[in-house]
Amino acid sequence: EVQLLDSGGDSVQPGGSLRLSCAASGFTFSSNAMSWVRQAPGKGLEWVSGISGSGGSKYYADSVKGRFTISRDNSKNTLFLQMNNLRAEDTALYYCAKDASRTVTTLYDYWGQGTLVTVSS
Amino acid sequence: DIQVTQSPSSLSASVGDRVTISCRASQSISSYLNWYQQKQGKAPKLLIYAASSLQSGVPSRFSGTGSGTDFTLTISSLQPEDFATYYCQQSYSTPPTFGQGTKVEIK
Repeated sequence: EVQLLDSGGDSVQPGGSLRLSCAASGFTFSSNAMSWVRQAPGKGLEWVSGISGSGGSKYYADSVKGRFTISRDNSKNTLFLQMNNLRAEDTALYYCAKDASRTVTTLYDYWGQGTLVTVSS
Repeated sequence: DIQVTQSPSSLSASVGDRVTISCRASQSISSYLNWYQQKQGKAPKLLIYAASSLQSGVPSRFSGTGSGTDFTLTISSLQPEDFATYYCQQSYSTPPTFGQGTKVEIK
């Protein structure tokens, strides 16, 4: 059974940093691209970043480019999102999502439960 | 970026009703259109991919049609567990973009 366990969310001040993690199990982690998708309170879904199965290709939304870094540790079946210089508009529930392919196709067949990031002074 | 527009933003329906939700892309995306269901407080769940392919385990009352710029999700006979918010998403190009959602409520 595929499981994605998101963690690392917290309440931080503007300009602060957080590192989100997504622990994966139930599939061959390195065989699938992964992404982070966020959802602001009461709002819709917004793609944040994606990474290929090997980790060699990375993609970012313009809204987070230069501030967020996606990475993965295939030996530990874990996806990460390093978030720096956080802004109020980054407040959201962050989901990790499993791509249906090794490359970043952005078709998501499994999602984590989400981890909440709140940016406020 | 490709814009994806859903309609309606919400609808009220009764159990047993046929429900249709539309999604329009700002440019042709071939069949790179996916549908997700999100229940309150839960993660999204993939229902339909590549415009018309039913994800494994999803009931056959869900179906998708369309190509190019216009797409439709149909629930043939609405069940109590189908009350949720539905999102379309284009996977034709990066960044992937989602529609704003359609909330299906009980009449």
